[in-house]
Amino acid sequence: KNEVEQSPQNLTAQEGEFITINCSYSVGISALHWLQQHPGGGIVSLFMLSSGKKKHGRLIATINIQEKHSSLHITASHPRDSAVYICAVPMYSGGGADGLTFGKGTHLIIQP
Amino acid sequence: DTAVSQTPKYLVTQMGNDKSIKCEQNLGHDTMYWYKQDSKKFLKIMFSYNNKELIINETVPNRFSPKSPDKAHLNLHINSLELGDSAVYFCASRSDGDTQYFGPGTRLTVL
Repeated sequence: KNEVEQSPQNLTAQEGEFITINCSYSVGISALHWLQQHPGGGIVSLFMLSSGKKKHGRLIATINIQEKHSSLHITASHPRDSAVYICAVPMYSGGGADGLTFGKGTHLIIQP
Repeated sequence: DTAVSQTPKYLVTQMGNDKSIKCEQNLGHDTMYWYKQDSKKFLKIMFSYNNKELIINETVPNRFSPKSPDKAHLNLHINSLELGDSAVYFCASRSDGDTQYFGPGTRLTVL
């Protein structure tokens, strides 16, 4: 069964700073997910990646399959980026319908 | 058009009661899940269903019984509610491309 470690747990930064959140997992996977949960509670899928790098606006996600590690970066951070960011991977290496296992989340606060 | 919907959004009830949470997805996905988010915001899978069949039951007490009448619906029935059941419950569905779509969550408070 996969296990996920995410860091940092809490991060406060000033507007405009470059943000990095790290995630490592224990078992080889088909794809890794980055999710965002806003204070209102809803969960949104930001990225799903199985290799390399993906970019969406100011968000960049990278993954190193050999090292079982992924990072989520936010460039030119803004107060609206304040949220909990959660890394998730398939519970078992086969993926499919097994469901996800989650990191403990990173609570990000961007101060103006 | 809401992709994954859950009702109710809030549920406050007394210990010992039985309650249900409903989930519907209009995305045509075959796989649906129930996840529980505890007071520390930690998410954990409870159940996984594929085409109305139970795939995963992650050591959930048998007071929790999921029911999937068709592949668009996955309801969660909870018997004899306990204080520790207080949490936010998220329903989700999975596309063929593995992206998961989450419902808005149901905040259950057991008094």
